[in-house]
Amino acid sequence: KQEVTQIPAALSVPEGENLVLNCSFTDSAIYNLQWFRQDPGKGLTSLLLIQSSQREQTSGRLNASLDKSSGRSTLYIAASQPGDSATYLCAVESPPGAGSYQLTFGKGTKLSVIP
Amino acid sequence: DAGVIQSPRHEVTEMGQEVTLRCKPISGHDYLFWYRQTMMRGLELLIYFNNNVPIDDSGMPEDRFSAKMPNASFSTLKIQPSEPRDSAVYFCASSFGGDSPTDTQYFGPGTRLTVL
Repeated sequence: KQEVTQIPAALSVPEGENLVLNCSFTDSAIYNLQWFRQDPGKGLTSLLLIQSSQREQTSGRLNASLDKSSGRSTLYIAASQPGDSATYLCAVESPPGAGSYQLTFGKGTKLSVIP
Repeated sequence: DAGVIQSPRHEVTEMGQEVTLRCKPISGHDYLFWYRQTMMRGLELLIYFNNNVPIDDSGMPEDRFSAKMPNASFSTLKIQPSEPRDSAVYFCASSFGGDSPTDTQYFGPGTRLTVL
């Protein structure tokens, strides 16, 4: 059974700092990996999706990398801003079995960017 | 489009009562997902539908939980009878499929359920 771990559970940084969020997974046979953002009282918003054949994806100040062999992904946020404060979740999609798609989520890292 | 709509946003009920959560997916999306989020277990998939047909309900915790999708624009998640351990935030998400239906999910704001 796939397990996804995110460490640390919470992180506080001063504005302007570059930071890295970590995600690890136990089964390297993945279909893709996604990073989501969750704001308090709201649903999830997809930030980046990395296919299993890819090594990284970039969107603006965000860069996500994937190393399947080691079961790790990182989300790099450059020049952090207070508006980046949110919980960031990593989710791994396992190859569809019997036509069923499954996302396994980590519990998230709560990021606070201090002005 | 207004996005995925869920109602109610908050629900407080007493143990043993029936609870019905509602979801309206984005028009044109043919996949609908129900998730549950708790501090202890994180976000878990309960069930998902494709073209109104349940595809995988292996995440539904017990027979007390049931989900229906009578048409393309409406789905319900029902808990009967409810128990305090069902307290959680329940999310609905919809997608238009693509290479994988989970690639393009749009989440609703969630329903926070408290069972006393």
